[in-house]
Amino acid sequence: DTGVSQNPRHKITKRGQNVTFRCDPISEHNRLYWYRQTLGQGPEFLTYFQNEAQLEKSRLLSDRFSAERPKGSFSTLEIQRTEQGDSAMYLCASSAHRGGSHEQYFGPGTRLTVT
Amino acid sequence: AQSVTQLDSQVPVFEEAPVELRCNYSSSVSVYLFWYVQYPNQGLQLLLKYLSGSTLVKGINGFEAEFNKSQTSFHLRKPSVHISDTAEYFCAVSPNNNAGNMLTFGGGTRLMVKP
Repeated sequence: DTGVSQNPRHKITKRGQNVTFRCDPISEHNRLYWYRQTLGQGPEFLTYFQNEAQLEKSRLLSDRFSAERPKGSFSTLEIQRTEQGDSAMYLCASSAHRGGSHEQYFGPGTRLTVT
Repeated sequence: AQSVTQLDSQVPVFEEAPVELRCNYSSSVSVYLFWYVQYPNQGLQLLLKYLSGSTLVKGINGFEAEFNKSQTSFHLRKPSVHISDTAEYFCAVSPNNNAGNMLTFGGGTRLMVKP
């Protein structure tokens, strides 16, 4: 396994622009999660997929946020009309959800700065 | 819903001294419990987890934690810390109802090991 990868690692954008992040989970992991972590805080759950189905979304996920996992492999998280409050680290995690495993493996994150 | 409280935001300790990082949780359902470590500009790495069975769990890097159901606690301990243990530590829970296992994190404890 090469681990969970996220691209880009850093993104600086101006307020009002759209941004898209990509997450590649560990191969054959059927669950994929997105979390947001602001400075000095613990990560907060945003949404998760089981295969290609988006099964749950947090109230934190406003209608400016959209996530997809079109073929049950990689996922994208798009933020439209970014605001300064969107500045955070966006973390992706994946898990196998088989054989009693409940461990989520995290990627390195994408740090978003909205100016 | 679940919530996690990490009582200490920062814990300074001298190298080779023992350390305990405290974690309390609240949940209306049974939960799985986790400790993650985050080094600067990196994602989260799992230290240990409690799913069931023995309440004392051992993890990587010499860490261990004890689940106390009556006190709803899951404190992390290490008998002798090293400089390399300096990092942010997060306690997390997820419901064990097999419905998604999204993690709820505490606010984190910054462990600072001094020579």
